[in-house]
Amino acid sequence: SAVISQKPSRDICQRGTSLTIQCQVDSQVTMMFWYRQQPGQSLTLIATANQGSEATYESGFVIDKFPISRPNLTFSTLTVSNMSPEDSSIYLCSVHYTEAFFGQGTRLTVV
Amino acid sequence: GENVEQHPSTLSVQEGDSAVIKCTYSDSASNYFPWYKQELGKRPQLIIDIRSNVGEKKDQRIAVTLNKTAKHFSLHITETQPEDSAVYFCAASLSLGGNQFYFGTGTSLTVIP
Repeated sequence: SAVISQKPSRDICQRGTSLTIQCQVDSQVTMMFWYRQQPGQSLTLIATANQGSEATYESGFVIDKFPISRPNLTFSTLTVSNMSPEDSSIYLCSVHYTEAFFGQGTRLTVV
Repeated sequence: GENVEQHPSTLSVQEGDSAVIKCTYSDSASNYFPWYKQELGKRPQLIIDIRSNVGEKKDQRIAVTLNKTAKHFSLHITETQPEDSAVYFCAASLSLGGNQFYFGTGTSLTVIP
């Protein structure tokens, strides 16, 4: 199994500012996945973070808006940049072993 | 890419009855199909999964069936209990490891005591 520590658990931010979300895994993993879950909705993949290379973004998500760092095999950050109220959502990181494990999520509210 | 559809979006059952949630997928190359339960304010948790070389898998009150030909799979919960109330997501993937999951839209299950 994997234990993922994600922080912050929640935040309220002013529009136009940026928030960086951190995920720490208790073991080394090649890929980490970042998802967005809007209220009452399913999980949408934002990007896949591979250590040592640039993240791969899904359609509709761009690096300038959601820059990702992956400095080592146990850690990753997702930044939500120049936030607007439409960015209010839950953001989750995930790793895949014998199953997919998720961080506890970051509930972001942009006002 | 893969497209996963899930039905119904909401489901209410009486305690003790069975609940069935169905998903279809589009990519015949997908070979791993997990089901996740997400309680309010919590992270998704795996409840059962099935691989494409198996037609059915059961774990106590929970079972999953897979029809590769028709590209659909279903979650069956028997003898439902109030603590089964949650949102359930199906997903499809090209195995695990570095492959992303494509999630269904979710089913909000309410078990009425």
